[in-house]
Amino acid sequence: GNSVTQMEGPVTLSEEAFLTINCTYTATGYPSLFWYVQYPGEGLQLLLKATKADDKGSNKGFEATYRKETTSFHLEKGSVQVSDSAVYFCALSDPSGSARQLTFGSGTQLTVLP
Amino acid sequence: DAGVTQSPTHLIKTRGQHVTLRCSPISGHKSVSWYQQVLGQGPQFIFQYYEKEERGRGNFPDRFSARQFPNYSSELNVNALLLGDSALYLCASSLASTNQENTIYFGEGSWLTVV
Repeated sequence: GNSVTQMEGPVTLSEEAFLTINCTYTATGYPSLFWYVQYPGEGLQLLLKATKADDKGSNKGFEATYRKETTSFHLEKGSVQVSDSAVYFCALSDPSGSARQLTFGSGTQLTVLP
Repeated sequence: DAGVTQSPTHLIKTRGQHVTLRCSPISGHKSVSWYQQVLGQGPQFIFQYYEKEERGRGNFPDRFSARQFPNYSSELNVNALLLGDSALYLCASSLASTNQENTIYFGEGSWLTVV
């Protein structure tokens, strides 16, 4: 079956530090890959996505590249801000099924200190 | 435009009771999905409905059921509640059923506590 493995948290960084959150996946087909963010007390928001190999998703300074050869989709940001503190979820969607369902990783809590 | 709206936002139920959670998708969205998010974990897929038909079901017991109405809103029902059903229940909507280009949007969820 499909699965997503995320770097375990929590992760604590100082403002303006470089961020990497690792994500690897297992899928039977050619999935689409996503990063969702969950701010305290809120629902999930799509941060970025990539639908095919070598695609780079980017948004709000965050980037992730779909690497089929390493089955990875690591999230990076060059300079984090306090407002980036949240839980980040890597997810995949397998287009081969009849349903459009997301398979999520367990989430990585990020805290950015001023 | 309103996003995905869910109700109630918080509720407390006793073991053995039944609960109904409600979801209104973004206007124009015909696909609605439900996810369960236990504290400290990622969301787990429960159901997807598209055009009032069930398109997919996750690994949840028959105590969980759902339906979609002609206006595309949806209800999630859980019978015979267990303590382990305590979680954040998320509703998500998208334009179409399986098109990978369509973004899936989530509501803020309904917090269910079973005591």
